[in-house]
Amino acid sequence: GAGVSQSPSNKVTEKGKDVELRCDPISGHTALYWYRQRLGQGLEFLIYFQGNSAPDKSGLPSDRFSAERTGESVSTLTIQRTQQEDSAVYLCASSPYRVVGTEAFFGQGTRLTVV
Amino acid sequence: EDQVTQSPEALRLQEGESSSLNCSYTVSGLRGLFWYRQDPGKGPEFLFTLYSAGEEKEKERLKATLTKKESFLHITAPKPEDSATYLCAPFLSGNTGKLIFGQGTTLQVKP
Repeated sequence: GAGVSQSPSNKVTEKGKDVELRCDPISGHTALYWYRQRLGQGLEFLIYFQGNSAPDKSGLPSDRFSAERTGESVSTLTIQRTQQEDSAVYLCASSPYRVVGTEAFFGQGTRLTVV
Repeated sequence: EDQVTQSPEALRLQEGESSSLNCSYTVSGLRGLFWYRQDPGKGPEFLFTLYSAGEEKEKERLKATLTKKESFLHITAPKPEDSATYLCAPFLSGNTGKLIFGQGTTLQVKP
C-alpha cells in the first residue's frame, strides 16, 4: 500500500530563498510529524499535528520555520530566508494514533541543501 | 526537561558477535517506548512497541526489553544486514503524541 510520500526528494536552494517541502501522509492517519535530521545526527522534533487540535510547534527552531496541514491530509513545511545551517534531511511521519503507543510511519525525507 | 540518551553512539561487531544497545530516558509520564531502525538515506522503520516494565518483544535476531528507566535492544548473532542506526523514542501517557528520539546507535556488522 501507499506509504508516506515526501516531495521533492532533493532540493538545492540559494541562501535567502524560501522553500516549501510537502508531505502526503498515509490516508486516514490523523497524526503528522515533521523532523529535521542533520548529517550524522539524530532526529530533531519540529512540529506535530493531531486531527483538529492546535499543532505542537514547540520544536520549530525560529520564526523562519512554519508548517500547515489541511485537515487530515497534506502538510507543507515552509522555511523562509534559508540559511546554510538549514541544510538537512526533513522527515515527515504519520500515524493513525488510535491509542497512545500507535507507531508512526516515516517517509523517505527531503534532502535540503542551502548553498 | 525530557531527555533520551542512547549508548554506545557507534558499535562495530563481527558477524555472530552478540551485543546490546541501551536507551535511557528521563521523562514524565512514561507510557512506553518505540524502537526504530534507520538505513542510510532512508526514513526510520518501525521495529517494536514496548508498554510495560518487564515486557519483551522479539523479531528475528532482535529482542527489545523495557525497564522503568531504560530499554535494551539485544542483537543475537548479528549479520551484516543488521547494520543500521537504531533509534528509540519513549512516548507519554495523555493526549500528546509528540515523540522525542534518542540520537541513535550506529551498528556496523562485519562479515
